[in-house]
Amino acid sequence: LAKTTQPISMDSYEGQEVNITCSHNNIATNDYITWYQQFPSQGPRFIIQGYKTKVTNEVASLFIPADRKSSTLSLPRVSLSDTAVYYCLVGVLRGGYQKVTFGTGTKLQVIP
Amino acid sequence: ETGVTQTPRHLVMGMTNKKSLKCEQHLGHNAMYWYKQSAKKPLELMFVYSLEERVENNSVPSRFSPECPNSSHLFLHLHTLQPEDSALYLCASSPSDGSSYNEQFFGPGTRLTVL
Repeated sequence: LAKTTQPISMDSYEGQEVNITCSHNNIATNDYITWYQQFPSQGPRFIIQGYKTKVTNEVASLFIPADRKSSTLSLPRVSLSDTAVYYCLVGVLRGGYQKVTFGTGTKLQVIP
Repeated sequence: ETGVTQTPRHLVMGMTNKKSLKCEQHLGHNAMYWYKQSAKKPLELMFVYSLEERVENNSVPSRFSPECPNSSHLFLHLHTLQPEDSALYLCASSPSDGSSYNEQFFGPGTRLTVL
C-alpha cells in the first residue's frame, strides 16, 4: 500500500482558503486518492475523491498533478466547524473490499 | 447519519469480562470493517469481511474475535482485554460493485474503556 505523508497540523483564520497537501510517492496505477474528515469521537466522513487532474464538489476541491505523487485538498472559506483532522488515503478496490491505510492526518485548527 | 450504526456507544469493562460490540448497516454494502483508534494515533485496520468472509486480519490479538453472520451485521467479541485496548472502535462498510471506489461509510464508534 502506498504510504501518505501530510503535515501534522495547520492553523487558519475563519474565511480563509485552506490547502492541505499530501505526498504519496508510491501511488500505484489503479489507486484512487480519497480525503476524509474526522471530528473528535466520531467516525471519519468522506469529503472527496479523485484519480487525476481536478475534482470539485460542494465542500472541497482536490488537485492532483499529472504525476499523481501528491494531491492538495482545498477548503474554501473555512469556518470554525471545519476544525477537524483531515486524512489523505490512497487505495483501490480489490476482491470486493477496499485496501487503504489511514495515516496520521492533518489537524486543522480554525481560529476566529 | 451515515447509515452505519454501532452499539453500545460507550462501554466500560474489567479485564476478565466478556462483551461484544455490534455494527449494523442497511446500505446494501458487501464489505465491512473494524478499525481501532487509540488516543492520538491513526486508525488501525483490524479486520475486513467481504461477502461475509474474513479477508483481512491485521495481526490482531486473539482476545478480539470478529463475527459476520450476514452482510448487514458485524460483531467484535471481546474477552480478557488489557487496559491498552481502551480506544474508539469504529465500524465501516463499503460497496463492492465499484460504484464508490474507496468511500467507506463509518459508524459513530464505540468508546471502550478497560479497567
